[in-house]
Amino acid sequence: DTEVTQTPKHLVMGMTNKKSLKCEQHMGHRAMYWYKQKAKKPPELMFVYSYEKLSINESVPSRFSPECPNSSLLNLHLHALQPEDSALYLCASSSKWTQYFGPGTRLLVL
Amino acid sequence: QKEVEQNSGPLSVPEGAIASLNCTYSDRGSQSFFWYRQYSGKSPELIMFIYSNGDKEDGRFTAQLNKASQYVSLLIRDSQPSDSATYLCAVNPPDSNYQLIWGAGTKLIIKP
Repeated sequence: DTEVTQTPKHLVMGMTNKKSLKCEQHMGHRAMYWYKQKAKKPPELMFVYSYEKLSINESVPSRFSPECPNSSLLNLHLHALQPEDSALYLCASSSKWTQYFGPGTRLLVL
Repeated sequence: QKEVEQNSGPLSVPEGAIASLNCTYSDRGSQSFFWYRQYSGKSPELIMFIYSNGDKEDGRFTAQLNKASQYVSLLIRDSQPSDSATYLCAVNPPDSNYQLIWGAGTKLIIKP
């Protein structure tokens, strides 16, 4: 089973809201990822949790913050987002280099 | 800078023909190569991965890797309208902590 689940599927939020995206995998993978994808662009890596170590894309603004409660869960906390943050947010997991994606959360910031 | 390049397309192929998608990469030490299919509004879905030079076949799909020339390709035989999607090439360079470098994707259109 190569299933990665993400909730919610869709999210609309205002610029003053705080919300969280959730991702879960039960494949025993030791690396999990958050990507942002704009229309007609490839996925852009935001964060990697690999063997309990966080790697950050330095271009990601601080209004995005990841949290890894355990090896199966990865959350993305959102605060004071901007309209340009509207995108498809993808979670993935991998045991080594082969990444499996969840269905994504479509985020709209008003 | 590590790069992966793909022709953005669209690539238009008649139904039943062979679709050929190409990808080149800059880091000669790269070891793992992936093809993902992405339908509009959906998440990427792994189609094939290849580690060794040569061909790897899975059903209608064949991945081809040539490390000397630094390219990887994906062939789709007997193309179906359901194959219409964007195909993303991804490469794992050395010392990358399991991160992938992504191509921009090629949009494939299969015409009935």
